[in-house]
Amino acid sequence: ETGVTQTPRHLVMGMTNKKSLKCEQHLGHNAMYWYKQSAKKPLELMFVYSLEERVENNSVPSRFSPECPNSSHLFLHLHTLQPEDSALYLCASSQGWTSGYEQYFGPGTRLTVT
Amino acid sequence: AQSVTQLDSHVSVSEGTPVLLRCNYSSSYSPSLFWYVQHPNKGLQLLLKYTSAATLVKGINGFEAEFKKSETSFHLTKPSAHMSDAAEYFCVVTPSGSARQLTFGSGTQLTVLP
Repeated sequence: ETGVTQTPRHLVMGMTNKKSLKCEQHLGHNAMYWYKQSAKKPLELMFVYSLEERVENNSVPSRFSPECPNSSHLFLHLHTLQPEDSALYLCASSQGWTSGYEQYFGPGTRLTVT
Repeated sequence: AQSVTQLDSHVSVSEGTPVLLRCNYSSSYSPSLFWYVQHPNKGLQLLLKYTSAATLVKGINGFEAEFKKSETSFHLTKPSAHMSDAAEYFCVVTPSGSARQLTFGSGTQLTVLP
């Protein structure tokens, strides 16, 4: 595997379910990110981890819970979601988190909340 | 504060004709600017980036962009469109010093007609 991978690629869950999204980067990067991409809206940055420490949390509801056990893996734990949480969730990584470091994106997980 | 405006939500060109995707930005600091492309059901791929070096930036697949500080613009161009260029394109700005504060434009959908 190369680059940034995400599993699952598609997920359908009810509002009372608990599920997790997984992201893995094979690039030796130090920073990882979660984004939400909804139809007709710009990408929204949700969380940033640098060297396994959360450095950014953009007012995301507590029903989204990130976890970064090491610099290669990032999880997004989901519980009691709402239909408006249906979106494409993208993971990204970068070598550093100062300006000039481009982010490399995974293919995303398409989440549908029923 | 920073923002980015993609002036066209949809652009349609014929194969073999030039492509112009427009992006204006505002930033309180010397920005870094990026263009990403997203094909259907795929993650975002970096096309090119500007980080205060040469103002004319060349990217992958024949794309290039010119940073014009006086016009606060970073338009993306390609001399000759190919069918495989059909995708959504995102202009992204980040202030100098922090890649975690990426701000994405709302995207431009490029259609290439045969």
